[in-house]
Amino acid sequence: AQSVAQPEDQVNVAEGNPLTVKCTYSVSGNPYLFWYVQYPNRGLQFLLKYITGDNLVKGSYGFEAEFNKSQTSFHLKKPSALVSDSALYFCAVRDVGSNTGKLIFGQGTTLQVKP
Amino acid sequence: GAGVSQTPSNKVTEKGKYVELRCDPISGHTALYWYRQSLGQGPEFLIYFQGTGAADDSGLPNDRFFAVRPEGSVSTLKIQRTERGDSAVYLCASSQPGQGGTGELFFGEGSRLTVL
Repeated sequence: AQSVAQPEDQVNVAEGNPLTVKCTYSVSGNPYLFWYVQYPNRGLQFLLKYITGDNLVKGSYGFEAEFNKSQTSFHLKKPSALVSDSALYFCAVRDVGSNTGKLIFGQGTTLQVKP
Repeated sequence: GAGVSQTPSNKVTEKGKYVELRCDPISGHTALYWYRQSLGQGPEFLIYFQGTGAADDSGLPNDRFFAVRPEGSVSTLKIQRTERGDSAVYLCASSQPGQGGTGELFFGEGSRLTVL
């Protein structure tokens, strides 16, 4: 069965500093990996995805993520955080080899960027 | 419309009542998903449709939950004999066809269900 772990409930960073939000996954085959952001009382918004190819993927709002197969990780990063990046972030995985198209989400990490 | 539309945005009901939640996906999206999100938790998979058929309903918690998509577009999530533990935000998402699982999901803003 596929699963996702986000080990940090909350990440605090100062504006202008780099940020990392951690994600590890477990699948039986190869993974498709996704990051989503959720602002209060809103639906989830897609940030970026890893399908194949270059391990560093770039997405919306200056975010990027690095796929590491040996560590089964897909950490979200941004070189310089903004106060407006404060939100709830979810990592998700789809097992390429499974018959189902379902996407499994982690529990989420709250990012707090302070001025 | 441009995005995934969910109605109602808020629903308050009494324990034991029947509830229907509606999702109108992005036009042309053949895959449709229902998730449930409780406070402080990640979205929990419920069911996934490919066209009119349920391709994976392994996330439905029990037989009080049922979902349909009769014409391959709009979907309705039905909850019978609601319980207080059903209170959550129910999210619907759709994705484009023919991408072999690589496509991202586009989410609606959810239907918040409160069972008193």
